[in-house]
Amino acid sequence: EAQVTQNPRYLITVTGKKLTVTCSQNMNHEYMSWYRQDPGLGLRQIYYSMNVEVTDKGDVPEGYKVSRKEKRNFPLILESPSPNQTSLYFCASSLSFGRYGYTFGSGTRLTVV
Amino acid sequence: KQEVTQIPAALSVPEGENLVLNCSFTDSAIYNLQWFRQDPGKGLTSLLLIQSSQREQTSGRLNASLDKSSGRSTLYIAASQPGDSATYLCAVRRAGNNRKLIWGLGTSLAVNP
Repeated sequence: EAQVTQNPRYLITVTGKKLTVTCSQNMNHEYMSWYRQDPGLGLRQIYYSMNVEVTDKGDVPEGYKVSRKEKRNFPLILESPSPNQTSLYFCASSLSFGRYGYTFGSGTRLTVV
Repeated sequence: KQEVTQIPAALSVPEGENLVLNCSFTDSAIYNLQWFRQDPGKGLTSLLLIQSSQREQTSGRLNASLDKSSGRSTLYIAASQPGDSATYLCAVRRAGNNRKLIWGLGTSLAVNP
C-alpha cells in the first residue's frame, strides 16, 4: 500500500531532551515536507526537501532540523524541544514539487512539558 | 500576498442534504488547488486536485470547481452521509517560481443522522 509512515504517533517529552520524528514513504516521491498544525493557525510548513540532500526552510523552521540522506526518509529532529513546539506534526510527500498532489502521514502529536 | 479563506468555519447538516463548501483566494495566479479531508486527530486525505487549466474535478459524490477569475473554489458533496463528517481543507499552490502551498483553516462539517 502506498503510504507515508510517521513514528511515533504520540510523544510526551521534557524540555531540552532531543527527539526525532521519523517519516518514510514508499512511493519513490521526490518531494517531502514537514508541517505543524495548531488551532487557529492552520498548517504551517517547517522544512521541505526537493530531493536527496536538498532541503530548505519553510515558514517556521526555528528549533527544527531535517535531513534527507535517502529518498524514502525525511526525519524531523528537535535538538532541544520547548513547550511552544507542542503541536500536531505531519509529514507529506509528492511525486515532484508543484504539479502533483500531496500524500500525508497520520500525524505525530507531540507534547513538550 | 496570497490568502486563503474558508467560510463557514463550521457547518451542521442533516443526512442526505447536498452541500457546498467554499474556498476563496486573493491572488488568481495559482498553479493548482487541492481539497483535503481531515478526521479528528488524524492525517489529511487528498480528495481532489484541480490544475489551474481545469474547471472542475469529480470523484464519486464529490465535485470540486475552480473559478480563478473570481478567486473561488467550491467542494460540492452530494447526498451527505454521517461518514462525511470531518474537517475539509483547501490549499492553493501559487504560480511562478515560488510554488508555495497556502492553506485555509478549514470547514468543520457535521452530518447528523
